[in-house]
Amino acid sequence: DGGITQSPKYLFRKEGQNVTLSCEQNLNHDAMYWYRQDPGQGLRLIYYSQIVNDFQKGDIAEGYSVSREKKESFPLTVTSAQKNPTAFYLCASSRGTGTEAFFGQGTRLTVV
Amino acid sequence: AQSVTQPDIHITVSEGASLELRCNYSYGATPYLFWYVQSPGQGLQLLLKYFSGDTLVQGIKGFEAEFKRSQSSFNLRKPSVHWSDAAEYFCAVGATGTASKLTFGTGTRLQVTL
Repeated sequence: DGGITQSPKYLFRKEGQNVTLSCEQNLNHDAMYWYRQDPGQGLRLIYYSQIVNDFQKGDIAEGYSVSREKKESFPLTVTSAQKNPTAFYLCASSRGTGTEAFFGQGTRLTVV
Repeated sequence: AQSVTQPDIHITVSEGASLELRCNYSYGATPYLFWYVQSPGQGLQLLLKYFSGDTLVQGIKGFEAEFKRSQSSFNLRKPSVHWSDAAEYFCAVGATGTASKLTFGTGTRLQVTL
């Protein structure tokens, strides 16, 4: 079945450590996105990529980094510079402009 | 910049009652509008979308929404709520030409009483 796979579902890290969240899609979508979700704040865009080897900052990119070396993959690294990294992270993809986004099941990151 | 307002943080309805979730957006041109639903700890599922044409759009699970340009609104409705509809609902707006760079509202949590 086609879809978006995020792994792991739950992730725990110590403060000061970098951590990478995985996002893979087999929908042949050109565009991919990372959102952060906090209670009462909706979803906020971290980074997005419309083609391979290109990506743009979203509204809250500070403390995060991404890469897009393959069409299917868009990993997100939460660096030690992110001051409040504990959150629910959602990856999404779309065919491109003019189409809706499809979401993965999310990764809940807890930094202790 | 585009924005979305969902004025109701939490709504409780009885099973079988009708439902209306409010969404107001701010955008300079004709927006692309979406409603998504999220169960606890899960990703988001698209309920319906509006790009152009008929202002009343039908979605999955018996939901519909009406685009009202004069009121900058895109309210979600369902005639008869089922207990399984309890979830969080998000309205989102996409900029023309970059529809998938979505801006989300803060969500409305729906509770259904039996």
